[in-house]
Amino acid sequence: DGGITQSPKYLFRKEGQNVTLSCEQNLNHDAMYWYRQDPGQGLRLIYYSQIVNDFQKGDIAEGYSVSREKKESFPLTVTSAQKNPTAFYLCASTPPGGYGYTFGSGTRLTVV
Amino acid sequence: QQQVKQSPQSLIVQKGGISIINCAYENTAFDYFPWYQQFPGKGPALLIAIRPDVSEKKEGRFTISFNKSAKQFSLHIMDSQPGDSATYFCAASMKTSGSRLTFGEGTQLTVNP
Repeated sequence: DGGITQSPKYLFRKEGQNVTLSCEQNLNHDAMYWYRQDPGQGLRLIYYSQIVNDFQKGDIAEGYSVSREKKESFPLTVTSAQKNPTAFYLCASTPPGGYGYTFGSGTRLTVV
Repeated sequence: QQQVKQSPQSLIVQKGGISIINCAYENTAFDYFPWYQQFPGKGPALLIAIRPDVSEKKEGRFTISFNKSAKQFSLHIMDSQPGDSATYFCAASMKTSGSRLTFGEGTQLTVNP
């Protein structure tokens, strides 16, 4: 079945560490997105990519980095510069010319 | 201009009742308005969506009402069931931003048995 796979489901980060969240899709979608979800704040866009080797900052990109070397993959790195990284991270994608996202099941990141 | 405002933040409804969640937007360039349903620990899933050329869209127990002049749209859940208990997000996008969605803050719906 086609879909978006996010891994790991739970991730713990020590202060000062960089961690990378994986997002893989087999839907042949061009556009991919990373959102951060905090209680009571909805979904906030971190980065998005509409084609391979190209990506744009979203509303809260500081402290995060991404790459898009393959159409299927859009990993997100949470760097030590992100001061409050504890959140639920969601990856999504859309088909060419399409509307509406398909979401992954999320990664819950906790700073310990 | 890019914001979508959603209310209420939380909603408690009795089984069989009608759940109503409202959203308002400012940017008249928005041309696609979906609603997403999210269960705890899961990613949101598309529930129903509408474009501004229609005033209402119904799919089963779920209806979107759209008021273009007021720049508002709402989700109505008829005959609400305990299984509908989830967080609901409205969203909006426009052609000039590709398929990028702007989300409301979310409404946590609880349907009591």
